[in-house]
Amino acid sequence: AQTVTQSQPEMSVQEAETVTLSCTYDTSESDYYLFWYKQPPSRQMILVIRQEAYKQQNATENRFSVNFQKAAKSFSLKISDSQLGDAAMYFCAYRRRLNTGTASKLTFGTGTRLQVTL
Amino acid sequence: EAGVAQSPRYKIIEKRQSVAFWCNPISGHATLYWYQQILGQGPKLLIQFQNNGVVDDSQLPKDRFSAERLKGVDSTLKIQPAKLEDSAVYLCASSRLGLPRRETQYFGPGTRLLVL
Repeated sequence: AQTVTQSQPEMSVQEAETVTLSCTYDTSESDYYLFWYKQPPSRQMILVIRQEAYKQQNATENRFSVNFQKAAKSFSLKISDSQLGDAAMYFCAYRRRLNTGTASKLTFGTGTRLQVTL
Repeated sequence: EAGVAQSPRYKIIEKRQSVAFWCNPISGHATLYWYQQILGQGPKLLIQFQNNGVVDDSQLPKDRFSAERLKGVDSTLKIQPAKLEDSAVYLCASSRLGLPRRETQYFGPGTRLLVL
């Protein structure tokens, strides 16, 4: 079974600074996808960034980037120029690739609560 | 494009009562997921539908939980009878059936259930 571990229950960053959230995962699969989701207090889960395991290049989305280390099974999220609106729970998630064409479920970590201070 | 709709947003019941949650996915999304998110944990899949067929219900407590997706559109999740440990947020998500590499799950706002 696949597992996702987020070892930082809480992180804090000052506005305009950079913060990195950690995630490790365990899988025997070679082809899969990794995600970071943001869940603000309103509870609507929003996709932040996606990484496909077969791609060596790290994904970036504006101020968000990842450091994907496949051999180490590590997938960290870097938020640059942090803003007050970045305050939320961040979940790392894994999805295996199925050859049937059917999408598979997301397996989530326990989350990291990010606080952004002035 | 309207997002995933869920109702009710909040529900308080006593143990042994029954409760039902409703989800309307994004129009055209063939795949629908129900996740349970217990406080302090990440969401855990309860059941996944593709159109009106069940793809994965391996973690659904079938002695008390049931779900259906008639006509392959909206879905209902029911708990009967509820236990204290069912207190959680129930999230519904949907995705378009297409290239799995591009599949993105869109989440609804969730239903927060408190069992007393």
